[in-house]
Amino acid sequence: SQKIEQNSEALNIQEGKTATLTCNYTNYSPAYLQWYRQDPGRGPVFLLLIRENEEEKRKERLKVTFDTTLKQSLFHITASQPADSATYLCALYYSGNTPLVFGKGTRLSVIA
Amino acid sequence: GAGVSQSPSNKVTEKGKDVELRCDPISGHTALYWYRQSLGQGLEFLIYFQGNSAPDKSGLPSDRFSAERTGGSVSTLTIQRTQQEDSAVYLCASSLARSWADTQYFGPGTRLTVL
Repeated sequence: SQKIEQNSEALNIQEGKTATLTCNYTNYSPAYLQWYRQDPGRGPVFLLLIRENEEEKRKERLKVTFDTTLKQSLFHITASQPADSATYLCALYYSGNTPLVFGKGTRLSVIA
Repeated sequence: GAGVSQSPSNKVTEKGKDVELRCDPISGHTALYWYRQSLGQGLEFLIYFQGNSAPDKSGLPSDRFSAERTGGSVSTLTIQRTQQEDSAVYLCASSLARSWADTQYFGPGTRLTVL
């Protein structure tokens, strides 16, 4: 079965630096890969979607890359701020009516 | 407009009791999803409703779990004879989707604690 690994459970970073979170998967590549943000006590909020045939997507300070050779997506937050502190989840969609497969998430803490 | 709402926000129950969790999706969203999130675990898919189609129940962990969606809107997730391992946050999401690829909008979840 498909496995997803997000690089670490927790990542601490200094304010102003670029945070880089990793999502690795096994077996075959998904058609889409999504990134969500989840704050404590809340449901996940959709951030970005990247398709199999796209290498990079940007939205304001966020950038997502998708490397099907490495079977990896990287999620970058540039000029990070304490308000960016949250858990970030990646989710993979394959095809048809298969459910999204979520990673366990990486808890990002941006320290002022 | 209003987002996805869930009730109750917290539920504490005794082992063996039945519980019902409610989800009100965003108006006009045809797809509705239930997930379970246990401590330190990723979101686990439970069940998916899409329009008038038969629901995809492939993620339900046992026959103690069931869900229905009335009138294509509100959904209720029922857990019968609750066990301690059912303790988790139960999340509902909805989307305009005709497939899993579309953006899902999540509710705040119901935290279930089984004593």
